[in-house]
Amino acid sequence: RKEVEQDPGPFNVPEGATVAFNCTYSNSASQSFFWYRQDCRKEPKLLMSVYSSGNEDGRFTAQLNRASQYISLLIRDSKLSDSATYLCVVKGFQKLVFGTGTRLLVSP
Amino acid sequence: EAGVAQSPRYKIIEKRQSVAFWCNPISGHATLYWYQQILGQGPKLLIQFQNNGVVDDSQLPKDRFSAERLKGVDSTLKIQPAKLEDSAVYLCASSLLSGGVDTQYFGPGTRLTVL
Repeated sequence: RKEVEQDPGPFNVPEGATVAFNCTYSNSASQSFFWYRQDCRKEPKLLMSVYSSGNEDGRFTAQLNRASQYISLLIRDSKLSDSATYLCVVKGFQKLVFGTGTRLLVSP
Repeated sequence: EAGVAQSPRYKIIEKRQSVAFWCNPISGHATLYWYQQILGQGPKLLIQFQNNGVVDDSQLPKDRFSAERLKGVDSTLKIQPAKLEDSAVYLCASSLLSGGVDTQYFGPGTRLTVL
């Protein structure tokens, strides 16, 4: 079983739609969780950290369910510029473990 | 503030040849990471340096890959000899602190094609 698993997509949504991605992780001792965004042929960039109580940053909401070992990212009112690959990242022992990413395509 | 610099941006070599990549982290960042990202996959950590010491190299194929960070600043990653399956983007990242909790900033990567 992979340490971090994501649905690769692509998720095709129209502008203005709400879309959600899930990610599961296998190491119950994991302590920190993140979502990174990676544009085509670019480097990954931190989108947001994920806290146990859930957190929101504008149109983006991240949630963590430790009991079920999954993380979610909700994007409301999708914009064309949200088209990218979203990487779920889990901190293992002193290192980050990246999922394969979920590709999002927002169309006009 | 300047970001993480990497060179070259692209490299094409034939199998069994050698290649080296260079990374200059953000000034003052103690921790430096090399990742390999194969097409369609997430980045995989190859090696992590804390200043000029190795913290984690458990996923580095040591029979052909080597990395060093002399003087705790710039770093080079070498592949010798290269195999077809080494075709990937090699990303360098740096962070102020260690342990992965601190934000990692990635460079633009070096896209390696092995023919």
